[in-house]
Amino acid sequence: QVQLVQSGAEVKKLGSSVKISCKASGGTFSRFAINWVRQAPGQGLEWMGEIIPLFASTNHAEKFQGRVTMTADESTSTAYMELTSLTSDDTAVYYCAKVGEGYYYHSSGYSYGDAFDIWGQGTMVSVSS
Amino acid sequence: EIVLTQSPGTLSLSPGERATLSCRASQSVSSSYLAWYQQKPGQAPRLLIYGVSRRATGIPDRFSGSGSGTDFTLTISRLEPEDFAVYYCQQYDDSPPHTFGQGTKLEI
Repeated sequence: QVQLVQSGAEVKKLGSSVKISCKASGGTFSRFAINWVRQAPGQGLEWMGEIIPLFASTNHAEKFQGRVTMTADESTSTAYMELTSLTSDDTAVYYCAKVGEGYYYHSSGYSYGDAFDIWGQGTMVSVSS
Repeated sequence: EIVLTQSPGTLSLSPGERATLSCRASQSVSSSYLAWYQQKPGQAPRLLIYGVSRRATGIPDRFSGSGSGTDFTLTISRLEPEDFAVYYCQQYDDSPPHTFGQGTKLEI
């Protein structure tokens, strides 16, 4: 059974950066499509982006262009998401989530065709002055 | 980008009753790439339904999904106390972003 375990809560200053880890156990990490989703306090779920180590591909929501970097270390089965130039609007719980292994890979560099079947426990990021 | 609109925003029901939650897409969701998630306070979302109507592993059969094109429904046949939570639909169609609906809160 695959499990995703995320790093702990972070408190950051305005304008700084945060890097969150998501360590997988079980399964074949390189074949995973790991997505990042965030949830501001009292709000809904917002898709941020995705990394697929097998194809060395990433893609992300347009609103995070230039601020988000997703990487993966296959040797430790860990995915990372770094968000820079933090504002108070970035205060949220950040989740990693694995796509079900029935996904398809599109040549443009993203997965489709399967839902997010395993989620990490979430990482709270608080941004303040 | 496909926008998903869920209704109602809040649904107040009692245990034993039937719940019907709606998710409408701004354009057709191809190949039935539509999922439903349940989220309880302080917890990560949990996959309930994928492919419009397929129950994820371990999900009780009181949960069912239906629909096609732009209109989708999650039905909970007989509410149990543990079903009171927030429910999100999501499309994972053939291009990102893999958007979520804004959620429906199911309350007692």
